[in-house]
Amino acid sequence: GESVGLHLPTLSVQEGDNSIINCAYSNSASDYFIWYKQESGKGPQFIIDIRSNMDKRQGQRVTVLLNKTVKHLSLQIAATQPGDSAVYFCAEYSSASKIIFGSGTRLSIRP
Amino acid sequence: DSGVTQTPKHLITATGQRVTLRCSPRSGDLSVYWYQQSLDQGLQFLIQYYNGEERAKGNILERFSAQQFPDLHSELNLSSLELGDSALYFCASSVVGRRSYNEQFFGPGTRLTVL
Repeated sequence: GESVGLHLPTLSVQEGDNSIINCAYSNSASDYFIWYKQESGKGPQFIIDIRSNMDKRQGQRVTVLLNKTVKHLSLQIAATQPGDSAVYFCAEYSSASKIIFGSGTRLSIRP
Repeated sequence: DSGVTQTPKHLITATGQRVTLRCSPRSGDLSVYWYQQSLDQGLQFLIQYYNGEERAKGNILERFSAQQFPDLHSELNLSSLELGDSALYFCASSVVGRRSYNEQFFGPGTRLTVL
């Protein structure tokens, strides 16, 4: 069946280093892949998305990479800051099954 | 602040009861989505409305229903509540453009506790 999963449930990163959060997906028919950030006590916040016909997209301090060969998605955060501490969800969207979220990775920042 | 508002922030009720959660989308957004976030199920899409009409259904139980009113606010009705319905319920809104997927803006959520 369709599933979106995350390789690591928790990730601890030194402040200032780059963070890489990974995600595996199984539905090759998904049109978009999206990353959300959820801080404690708040709703998910859109970070960046990538269309299925692209392999890389950059935003402000974030880069999403899509490898359709191995059905892998990653979010890279440059120069990680304390404010980046949150749970990060990947999600996939298709017109058939709408949006399916992964289980989330908690990112913690070491000072 | 996403511009999406949800009320109430917290709700405590008993099994068998019925509750209504309310959502006001961002100004100009015609599409409203409801999600359930629980510890064991993660974030699950329930239902989408667009300009008053149901657009898509996800994992929504028959005991749950939703509607979107002419002023575009939406309500999620949960009835015959069970302990397992305890969760965070999020509303999100988006514009509907040429893309099939459009960025969704989430509200702060309603925490429902069923005792």
